[in-house]
Amino acid sequence: GAVVSQHPSWVICKSGTSVKIECRSLDFQATTMFWYRQFPKQSLMLMATSNEGSKATYEQGVEKDKFLINHASLTLSTLTVTSAHPEDSSFYICSPSYTDTQYFGPGTRLTVL
Amino acid sequence: AQSVTQLGSHVSVSEGALVLLRCNYSSSVPPYLFWYVQYPNQGLQLLLKYTSAATLVKGINGFEAEFKKSETSFHLTKPSAHMSDAAEYFCAVTVFSGGYNKLIFGAGTRLAVHP
Repeated sequence: GAVVSQHPSWVICKSGTSVKIECRSLDFQATTMFWYRQFPKQSLMLMATSNEGSKATYEQGVEKDKFLINHASLTLSTLTVTSAHPEDSSFYICSPSYTDTQYFGPGTRLTVL
Repeated sequence: AQSVTQLGSHVSVSEGALVLLRCNYSSSVPPYLFWYVQYPNQGLQLLLKYTSAATLVKGINGFEAEFKKSETSFHLTKPSAHMSDAAEYFCAVTVFSGGYNKLIFGAGTRLAVHP
């Protein structure tokens, strides 16, 4: 149980383009979704939190207009990195929550050239 | 505010030796504490969690951790290391903020196991 998928697993894009990352909870309904970013050899930093159908709440220092989060259903959330720049290159991990337990996706490696 | 501190960014042990990864927490309320493992380019896998029940928590893959309130610690141990234990380990605490229970992670400890 508690299977989480992310797509794509890795993506390379040019600077200035937008990239969408999908996160799906395959066998449970996630009332809350957390998105984390992990730079190389560093820990996971929480970017934002959202409930299904509601606007995301962003952590301090995270630009809401740059990292667009959509949590349209209980099984799908998307993170769109708009106008990506090389400094946005990172490992993005989603974490859907069910009954106060957080599960983690396998991550998406974004490289911006 | 709740936080966790992992002492030692790198730990190296011999195969078969004791594994000890240190985590200290700071919390004004009884904390919920977790240990996760991350293999390269993968997400996180829960090893074990403390939620105010038994202070000695047993997890997967032979790992266990003991909650010590007097020392504000939640160290992760395994009696005998395997090569497959080489990975990054994260201690985490639940923080209630902005209406959500959020997991906040420590900096991580990279465990190397050598023959």
